[in-house]
Amino acid sequence: GNSVTQMEGPVTLSEEAFLTINCTYTATGYPSLFWYVQYPGEGLQLLLKATKADDKGSNKGFEATYRKETTSFHLEKGSVQVSDSAVYFCALTGDTGNQFYFGTGTSLTVIP
Amino acid sequence: KAGVTQTPRYLIKTRGQQVTLSCSPISGHRSVSWYQQTPGQGLQFLFEYFSETQRNKGNFPGRFSGRQFSNSRSEMNVSTLELGDSALYLCASSMGQFPAYEQYFGPGTRLTVT
Repeated sequence: GNSVTQMEGPVTLSEEAFLTINCTYTATGYPSLFWYVQYPGEGLQLLLKATKADDKGSNKGFEATYRKETTSFHLEKGSVQVSDSAVYFCALTGDTGNQFYFGTGTSLTVIP
Repeated sequence: KAGVTQTPRYLIKTRGQQVTLSCSPISGHRSVSWYQQTPGQGLQFLFEYFSETQRNKGNFPGRFSGRQFSNSRSEMNVSTLELGDSALYLCASSMGQFPAYEQYFGPGTRLTVT
């Protein structure tokens, strides 16, 4: 079946530190992979996506590369800001796109 | 383009009552999915509708039901509310067809059952 495993949080970083949030997946076929971000009191926002192996999704300084050989889609950012404090969700959808599978979310707090 | 809208934003109900939540998708989107988000269970998939048909369903009891109208708007109904149904209910819309599977979420409806 399909599933997503994210690194446990919470993660606390100082401003301008390097961020990595690990995400690995199990899927049949050729899934599409996504990172979503949820700010306090809001719904989820799409951060970036990749639809095939070796694709790199990027947005707002965040990047993630679809690695089929390691079944991973790790989120990275070179220099985090206080405004990046949020909960980050890794997700996949299978071949038909009927259903999304979300990880448990990783809470990030960036301190000045 | 207007985003996904959900009404109401907040709701307080009593155990045993029923509730209906509404979701208006982004114009042109034919797929609407519903999720329950709680601190303990995270995001749990309820069901997905595409062109008025339920395409997929999560593992929730029959008290949770939904429907989609011809304009793609969707409603979710929970009957015989239980305290454990207190949660943030999120609706998401998408084109629902490859390669545009990405879902766009509404702000959610916060349901409190007392």
